[in-house]
Amino acid sequence: SAVISQKPSRDICQRGTSLTIQCQVDSQVTMMFWYRQQPGQSLTLIATANQGSEATYESGFVIDKFPISRPNLTFSTLTVSNMSPEDSSIYLCSAKAGARFFGPGTRLTVL
Amino acid sequence: DAKTTQPPSMDCAEGRAANLPCNHSTISGNEYVYWYRQIHSQGPQYIIHGLKNNETNEMASLIITEDRKSSTLILPHATLRDTAVYYCIVRVAIYGQNFVFGPGTRLSVLP
Repeated sequence: SAVISQKPSRDICQRGTSLTIQCQVDSQVTMMFWYRQQPGQSLTLIATANQGSEATYESGFVIDKFPISRPNLTFSTLTVSNMSPEDSSIYLCSAKAGARFFGPGTRLTVL
Repeated sequence: DAKTTQPPSMDCAEGRAANLPCNHSTISGNEYVYWYRQIHSQGPQYIIHGLKNNETNEMASLIITEDRKSSTLILPHATLRDTAVYYCIVRVAIYGQNFVFGPGTRLSVLP
C-alpha cells in the first residue's frame, strides 16, 4: 500500500494567480498521476508524471496551464497557472503501488 | 477499456448487507475488476479487485459472475460511515495504465 499526502489541503485564490500543489508518497513509485474533480463530478485524469521525463497530458489539458514536476520517486507538484473561477475543483494526486492509491485532495476555490 | 454500468444511487439500512452491482459485459480476458469508493471530501479509497475468482478482504467481498460480464461488491454489515460514491473500474492490470472513473453509485446507508 501507499500513503499519499497533499499540500495545501485547500486554498482560496485570486483570478490570474498560480497555485502549486505538492504530493508526497511514503514509498518510491515510478508513476504518479494528477486528477481533477469538478463539483459534483467524477475524477478526470490531467496527466501522468514520470520521474526523469516530461509529463504526459490527457486531451484538454496542456503543460502551460498545468505544469508538473517530478524531481524524485516520492514527490510531485502540479501548478494551476493563471487561474480562473472555472479552475475551482478538487485536485487529486495518485500513485500505483500495487493497487492505485489516492491522496486526500486539494480543494481549490478561485474568486 | 471495457465500459462499466452502475446504478446512480442505492439505499441500504444500517447493519444490513449492501450489494452494489456493476455491469461490464464487454470485459476482456485480461481485464480486472476494481472497486473504489469516495467518501465526501476525501480521495478515492481502494476496496478490492479481482479477475475471475471471488475475493474477500477485511472491507468487502467481490462476486464475479462466471461469464465475468457483471460483478457485485458486498459490504456485509453496512455502517453510516460506508455512505460514499462507489466506483467499479475495469482495467488491464499493467503498469501505468489510466484509471477511468465513471459516475459510480452513490450509496446512502440509512439509520
